[in-house]
Amino acid sequence: EAGVAQSPRYKIIEKRQSVAFWCNPISGHATLYWYQQILGQGPKLLIQFQNNGVVDDSQLPKDRFSAERLKGVDSTLKIQPAKLEDSAVYLCASSSDKTGGGSPLHFGNGTRLTVT
Amino acid sequence: QKEVEQNSGPLSVPEGAIASLNCTYSDRVSQSFFWYRQYSGKSPELIMSIYSNGDKEDGRFTAQLNKASQYVSLLIRDSQPSDSATYLCAVKKGGTSYGKLTFGQGTILTVHP
Repeated sequence: EAGVAQSPRYKIIEKRQSVAFWCNPISGHATLYWYQQILGQGPKLLIQFQNNGVVDDSQLPKDRFSAERLKGVDSTLKIQPAKLEDSAVYLCASSSDKTGGGSPLHFGNGTRLTVT
Repeated sequence: QKEVEQNSGPLSVPEGAIASLNCTYSDRVSQSFFWYRQYSGKSPELIMSIYSNGDKEDGRFTAQLNKASQYVSLLIRDSQPSDSATYLCAVKKGGTSYGKLTFGQGTILTVHP
């Protein structure tokens, strides 16, 4: 089966600019996650979708980050305006969880963002 | 207290030795536990999952779970240089939270020849 697809792989922007990341999950996976991984740290959950509804966005900096998942498939994550501390790898993952399942996550290759 | 905490590392073991990686979690309602391996510059990949108390073995890997102590570990037997990576412990809640997965900070493992 095809894995989780993400683009772009790398992005360099200046602070206060905007940027968008795209993710296409594994076909049929209902749950989609966006994680932020700062160098030397574990991934931090930004937002979790179940189909096209938001399940958890408690750690999403909503003043600058936004995400959507139209039609319950592809998702985009946007940062506007970017700050230096947003430099990180943004990982998209999907799983086949229905409700409260224990299915593991499958990660995409990530987008490495550098804010200068 | 962090939701998921791993031994700080880095951990260095000689080739052929047993590497022991430890993780504690704070939320007693956690139901699913995972170990991911992450090579430098790559995404995490699942190596083990465990859902009930006790040991689970898969090749050279053994995951151990003790829910009473809120503790999960990963043992790697006959460690190889190719096992050198960051190991991430992840804990998932069940019930109505649709399985929110929380990661620890990771432990860097180096296996030297």
